[in-house]
Amino acid sequence: QQQVKQSPQSLIVQKGGISIINCAYENTAFDYFPWYQQFPGKGPALLIAIRPDVSEKKEGRFTISFNKSAKQFSLHIMDSQPGDSATYFCAASTSWIKAAGNKLTFGGGTRVLVKP
Amino acid sequence: DGGITQSPKYLFRKEGQNVTLSCEQNLNHDAMYWYRQDPGQGLRLIYYSQIVNDFQKGDIAEGYSVSREKKESFPLTVTSAQKNPTAFYLCASTPRRLADLSSTGELFFGEGSRLTVL
Repeated sequence: QQQVKQSPQSLIVQKGGISIINCAYENTAFDYFPWYQQFPGKGPALLIAIRPDVSEKKEGRFTISFNKSAKQFSLHIMDSQPGDSATYFCAASTSWIKAAGNKLTFGGGTRVLVKP
Repeated sequence: DGGITQSPKYLFRKEGQNVTLSCEQNLNHDAMYWYRQDPGQGLRLIYYSQIVNDFQKGDIAEGYSVSREKKESFPLTVTSAQKNPTAFYLCASTPRRLADLSSTGELFFGEGSRLTVL
C-alpha cells in the first residue's frame, strides 16, 4: 500500500524552465514532508522540507507548496539547470520527535532531466 | 569526515546464498535504517533500529535479518528466503534523542550497495 503517491514518474524540461513534481498522501497524521534529491549511484540527500503550519517554503530555486486540505504537496524547481538532473523523492512522516524513529514513507520518485 | 559507509558497493550472489551488507556510521547517531530501492517504487523500509540491541521490522522485512551490536554498525543479511533480492540497498541514520530539538529529522544516507542475483 503506497501511502504517498508521486507524479510524474519522469519529466524532461529545458534549461531555464520550471520542473513541477506533485505528491499526495492519505495519512492525516503525517506532519513532516521532506524532499530528497538523488544523483545516479548515490544515496538520497535532503533537499528541502516543510511542516503543515506553513503553505509554502522556498530555498533558492526550490519551493515546496503545501495544501493541507487536499493532502497534497509539490516541489517546484525554478530556472531548472542541467545540474538539477536527478531523481527526486517526496516523503512524509509523523513528527519525528514523537515517533519511534524517523520512519519516512517515500513516494515512487521522479526522474528529472534538464536539457541544455 | 563524518558519514555513512556502505560496503560492498556492488555484490553478486548466486541463488540460495545468504549475503551480508555492511553499514557503518561515525555520526554518533542513535537510529539506523535499511531501505530497498527498486525502479518506480521509491524507497521501502526493511528494518530500523533506535538503540543498540533493539530493532524493528519495516514494511518489507521478510527474507531479511539485521543486528545492532554496536551503535556504529547495522549490518543487513539478505537470506535465501528473499524471493527477489536484486535491488539497490540504502542504509541511513538519524539522531533520535527527544531532547535534540535542533535536529531537522533529516535522514543521512550512505551511497548504497547494489545486489544482483545471478
